[in-house]
Order: sequence, then C-alpha cells, then structure tokens
Amino acid sequence: SSELTQDPAVSVALGQTVRITCQGDSLRSYYASWYQQKPGQAPVLVIYGKNNRPSGIADRFSASSSGDTASLTITGSQAEDEAVYYCNSRDSNINYLVFGGGTKLTVL
Amino acid sequence: EVHLVESGGGLVQPGGSLRLSCAVSGFTFSHYEMNWVRQVPGKGLEWVSYIDSPGSATHSADSVKGRFTISRDNAKDSLYLQMNNLRAEDSALYYCARGGEYWAFDIWGQGTMVTVSS
Repeated sequence: SSELTQDPAVSVALGQTVRITCQGDSLRSYYASWYQQKPGQAPVLVIYGKNNRPSGIADRFSASSSGDTASLTITGSQAEDEAVYYCNSRDSNINYLVFGGGTKLTVL
Repeated sequence: EVHLVESGGGLVQPGGSLRLSCAVSGFTFSHYEMNWVRQVPGKGLEWVSYIDSPGSATHSADSVKGRFTISRDNAKDSLYLQMNNLRAEDSALYYCARGGEYWAFDIWGQGTMVTVSS
C-alpha cells in the first residue's frame, strides 16, 4: 500500500502524555516525519529522521518507530499543542512521497 | 530569515492552466530539493511534486502526473508548478516546501489558493 494511516482524532488531558501513531508499509524502510498544523497556518515540521527536532521545537515532542508503525509522543501536553498532526514518509510504491490523513489532537 | 512566498493562484475554468511560482530567500536555493504540497480547505495534506536541487530529477503524484510539471530556476531562486488540464478536484491551497533530511519538508510557505470552477 502507498498509504499512511492515522487515527482521525485523539484527546489528552493537560499535562499528560499522548501518543499519535502512523501506520504504513513504507515505514518499514523509511523514517516518518511529523508536522503540526494549527487553524489558518501552514504546517510546521516538529520531528524528522529517527528522532530529530528542528530548532525551536519543544523537547516534549519525540518520536519512535516499530515495524510498520511510527509514533509521535508529546510528554506533558500543553494547551498550545492542540492542532492537527500529520506524518509523512518516502513512499515504497506508487508515489514518491506520501502523507497520512492527519490526527486532530484535543487538549482537555 | 528563511522565506518561501507562493504566487500565481486564482480562479480558472476546468480544462484551463495556471502557473504557480514560489520565490525563496534566506538560504541557498540551489542546494535544496523542493516540493509542492496541496490542501483542500478543511482536509488533509497531499504531496504533489518533487524536484531535486539541480532540477534534473522530478516526481509527481499519480493524481497529477501528465498534467502538472514542476521546475525551478536556481539563478532566480524560484520554484514553479505548471498546471494544465485543471479539474475541480485540483482546487486547493498550494504550498511550496523545502526538502530537508529524510525527505522531510522543513520550511513551508503560506500557500496560494487555486480554485477550478466554471
């Protein structure tokens, strides 16, 4: 499959830890990258590679991977983390690059 | 400061053409791969096209293959997307995005809106 599958919505209590997952065959061969998108704004890269954060991204964001599933973990969720999170990776099949459908994170 | 600024969007009839541009500043454009990504308002992200740093290799999503062409002018620090035979389903906000390590999109523009409608 050339798709990356994400849960449509996840919620977390303020200050708690949440894991957002991304599943796809291509993740057996390639790392996932993760993006945060808030309403009316362009996406922002938060994690790339094995577990790398761009400059300015809080260290409460981390990533891991196992088999065909990549995960983004937010440890100690803040109100400002409420957003849609997308994964992407190099594709193994039809398309060169592919995005997941996005997960809307609600911080309660 | 790094900037990507898209332009060229607008309203076009089905079957028509548009050329999007992305002007970059704040980094050495010729050293980076570049991409176009689109998003229907309220929906998810869809990768559209990729071009390598010298402009010699390109890839496009199946949904636009044969209709869209990505190109670049490294002398002008500019990225382009020629869109032909446009369809209603091509209506979206089009972002240009810089290619970073591990095929990540590390810098994004603010997007230009394309509406295909009669």
